[in-house]
Amino acid sequence: AQSVTQPDIHITVSEGASLELRCNYSYGATPYLFWYVQSPGQGLQLLLKYFSGDTLVQGIKGFEAEFKRSQSSFNLRKPSVHWSDAAEYFCAVGAPTGTGNQFYFGTGTSLTVIP
Amino acid sequence: DAGVIQSPRHEVTEMGQEVTLRCKPISGHNSLFWYRQTMMRGLELLIYFNNNVPIDDSGMPEDRFSAKMPNASFSTLKIQPSEPRDSAVYFCASRSGQTYLNEQFFGPGTRLTVL
Repeated sequence: AQSVTQPDIHITVSEGASLELRCNYSYGATPYLFWYVQSPGQGLQLLLKYFSGDTLVQGIKGFEAEFKRSQSSFNLRKPSVHWSDAAEYFCAVGAPTGTGNQFYFGTGTSLTVIP
Repeated sequence: DAGVIQSPRHEVTEMGQEVTLRCKPISGHNSLFWYRQTMMRGLELLIYFNNNVPIDDSGMPEDRFSAKMPNASFSTLKIQPSEPRDSAVYFCASRSGQTYLNEQFFGPGTRLTVL
C-alpha cells in the first residue's frame, strides 16, 4: 500500500538558517511526489512536484526537493528561511488506484521560524 | 479567477443536526476532491469526482456522510446526523484533467465544530 511518512512533527529554525524537511514514501512503482504548504487558516498550496527526470526539483518561494530512490525519500530544502515560511508542510504521493487516482498525504511538519 | 470557494468558513452545530458544506471549484476544472483534516488523522481524502461523477468514495467514513456534484460548478458534502467526532477542517480542491500529475487547488476550508 502507498504511504507517506514525515518523521518530524515540528521543527524550529532561526531566520536565515537552512531548512530540510524529511519525507519518506512507500510505493511499489515510480512515485509521483509533491510538497504542499499550508499557511495558518489557509488551504494547501503546491510548492513543487516530481514526476521524472532530474532528481533535484525547484519550486516556488525558493524551495527545492531531491528525489532519492535508494532512500525512498523526497526531502524539502531551503537554503535560507524567512519568517514568512512558518507554516505546515505536507508531502504527498500520487498513485493510481483501481478506480482512478488519488493523493496520499503525510501527516505534516509544522515549521516555526524564530527571529 | 477567485480560486476554490468554500462556504461556510466556520460552522458550529449540535450533535444530531444536519450539516451541509459547499464548494465551488475553479471554472474549467473537471475534478473535485473533498478532504478532512484532523490532528489525529491528518489530511484524508473523502471522495473525488471526475466530470461530476463520483469516482472513489472509499474514504467516506460512514453512511452519515454523503456528497453530491449536481453540476460542474457546485458540490456539497452533507453530514446527517452530525457527531462530535466529525469536528474537523473540511477542504475542497479542484483540478484540471483527470491525472494526478496536475496540481490540485485547495479552498480555504470549512472549520466544523460539533458540540
